[in-house]
Amino acid sequence: AQTVTQSQPEMSVQEAETVTLSCTYDTSESDYYLFWYKQPPSRQMILVIRQEAYKQQNATENRFSVNFQKAAKSFSLKISDSQLGDAAMYFCAYRTYGGATNKLIFGTGTLLAVQP
Amino acid sequence: GAVVSQHPSRVICKSGTSVKIECRSLDFQATTMFWYRQFPKKSLMLMATSNEGSKATYEQGVEKDKFLINHASLTLSTLTVTSAHPEDSSFYICSARDLAGFSEGYTFGSGTRLTVV
Repeated sequence: AQTVTQSQPEMSVQEAETVTLSCTYDTSESDYYLFWYKQPPSRQMILVIRQEAYKQQNATENRFSVNFQKAAKSFSLKISDSQLGDAAMYFCAYRTYGGATNKLIFGTGTLLAVQP
Repeated sequence: GAVVSQHPSRVICKSGTSVKIECRSLDFQATTMFWYRQFPKKSLMLMATSNEGSKATYEQGVEKDKFLINHASLTLSTLTVTSAHPEDSSFYICSARDLAGFSEGYTFGSGTRLTVV
């Protein structure tokens, strides 16, 4: 069975600085998807970024980028120029490739605080 | 983008009563919806996978008779917490995937905070 591990329960960053959130996963599959979701205090889950395992290029979405190391099964999220609105719980998630009913497997989350 | 509408956002009910939570996909067809439970500052725990026109698939340890799931149409799935007790108080979230989209991600409802008194 696949597992997702986030080893940092809480992180803090100064506004405008850069922070990296860690995520590792375990799987025997070769094709899959990885995601980072943000859950602000409103508790609405928001997709931040996704990565297809077959793509070597790291995904980037504006200030958010990932460092995907397939061999190491690592998928970290880098937030550049941190803003107060980035304060939230961040979840790393895994999904098997293909199949409409494949479920997301979530990590335990990292609570990010942004200091002004 | 794909939107999932979840209602109610908050509900308080008396112990022993039942509560129904609805999730609707507003601009796409969701053959599959997922129901999660989340405790404060904890991760999302998958309770069940809801499939349109068939029985839901429950995760191990989830009581199917307590958490009734109905997915009667391609746009609506409901979760009914039957004979609710204080320990059922939690945050419940649904999600669905827009198969016609290309994001490969899932769209989440805004969640329901259930308080059983």
